[in-house]
Amino acid sequence: TQLLEQSPQFLSIQEGENLTVYCNSSSVFSSLQWYRQEPGEGPVLLVTVVTGGEVKKLKRLTFQFGDARKDSSLHITAAQTGDTGLYLCAGGKETGTASKLTFGTGTRLQVTL
Amino acid sequence: EAGVTQFPSHSVIEKGQTVTLRCDPISGHDNLYWYRRVMGKEIKFLLHFVKESKQDESGMPNNRFLAERTGGTYSTLKVQPAELEDSGVYFCASSQDLGGMQKLFFGSGTQLSVL
Repeated sequence: TQLLEQSPQFLSIQEGENLTVYCNSSSVFSSLQWYRQEPGEGPVLLVTVVTGGEVKKLKRLTFQFGDARKDSSLHITAAQTGDTGLYLCAGGKETGTASKLTFGTGTRLQVTL
Repeated sequence: EAGVTQFPSHSVIEKGQTVTLRCDPISGHDNLYWYRRVMGKEIKFLLHFVKESKQDESGMPNNRFLAERTGGTYSTLKVQPAELEDSGVYFCASSQDLGGMQKLFFGSGTQLSVL
């Protein structure tokens, strides 16, 4: 069974701080996606990375796919209260598609004033 | 444009009863997926439709679960008879078939409680 372990599980920080969330696996994935989920809603896709070593930036969010495509990280700079939510990584195994995703264990982030 | 809609948003049933969940994907999306999160666990894949055909149903837990997508539009997921361990949030997602990396759009989920 493939498993994507996320760390930390919970993170409570103040607005303006930086943070990094990690997503690790012993398996190789062809693609890695990051989602954010808010209470009562479904996950919303933030980014997809497909190449080992790839780095993508989305405003204050920086995503990196490990060289071996077994791990990924999400770094948030100057966190805002609107960043609060559950962050999920999800790995895809089929080359070129993300049809069957293996989701990570999740990181719950709370950003306070 | 409407997103993926799921009905009902919540369902509370007794063990042994039958429940049917419905998912309306984004119009024009050929791919439809069912996922679920049971208490304390990660979201897990159940199955994948391409139009009306089951592409991959390797995640279906047992034969008490039946998914259909007649006509290739909306989908239903029926649990009969429901057991306590079926409680959780059932998510539906859809995507276009663009031949490459797919962007999944998730619905808000159905919270199923089996008592």
